[in-house]
Amino acid sequence: AQTVTQSQPEMSVQEAETVTLSCTYDTSESDYYLFWYKQPPSRQMILVIRQEAYKQQNATENRFSVNFQKAAKSFSLKISDSQLGDAAMYFCAYRTFTDTSGSRLTFGEGTQLTVNP
Amino acid sequence: DSGVTQTPKHLITATGQRVTLRCSPRSGDLSVYWYQQSLDQGLQFLIQYYNGEERAKGNILERFSAQQFPDLHSELNLSSLELGDSALYFCASSVGMGERRNEQFFGPGTRLTVL
Repeated sequence: AQTVTQSQPEMSVQEAETVTLSCTYDTSESDYYLFWYKQPPSRQMILVIRQEAYKQQNATENRFSVNFQKAAKSFSLKISDSQLGDAAMYFCAYRTFTDTSGSRLTFGEGTQLTVNP
Repeated sequence: DSGVTQTPKHLITATGQRVTLRCSPRSGDLSVYWYQQSLDQGLQFLIQYYNGEERAKGNILERFSAQQFPDLHSELNLSSLELGDSALYFCASSVGMGERRNEQFFGPGTRLTVL
């Protein structure tokens, strides 16, 4: 079974600075998706960024980028120019691409990000 | 707004009771997923339906059941409720099954409190 681990329960960053959230996963599959979801105080789950395992290029979405190291099974999220609105719980998630028994997401424990003004 | 709706937003009930949570997927989405978010267990997958059929089961208790109706909305039934069932229950939907771009869109969740 796949597992996702986020070893940083809490992180903090100064406004306008850069922060990196860590995520590691364990799988025996070669093709899969990785995601970062943001959960603000409203509790809504918001997709931040996705990465397909077969793509070597790291995904980027505006101020958000990932460092995907497939051999190390590592998938970190970098937030540049942090804004107060980035304060939230961030979840790393894994999904099998060719899962014929379903397309479930497996989530990490989450990292609570605080942005200080 | 993801396009996925869930009702009710909040639900407060007593131990031993039964409740039903409802989810309407985005227009055109055939898959519905249920997730539970609790302090003890974190975010975990419960069950998936695709076009009316159960396709995958996760850590869903036997006291819980779900179904997807012909109009594609889904209901999650929780019975013999215990204090530990208090959680935020999310529904998500996606277009299909294992296709490459099968992004899941999450509803706002139903907050269940068991007293």
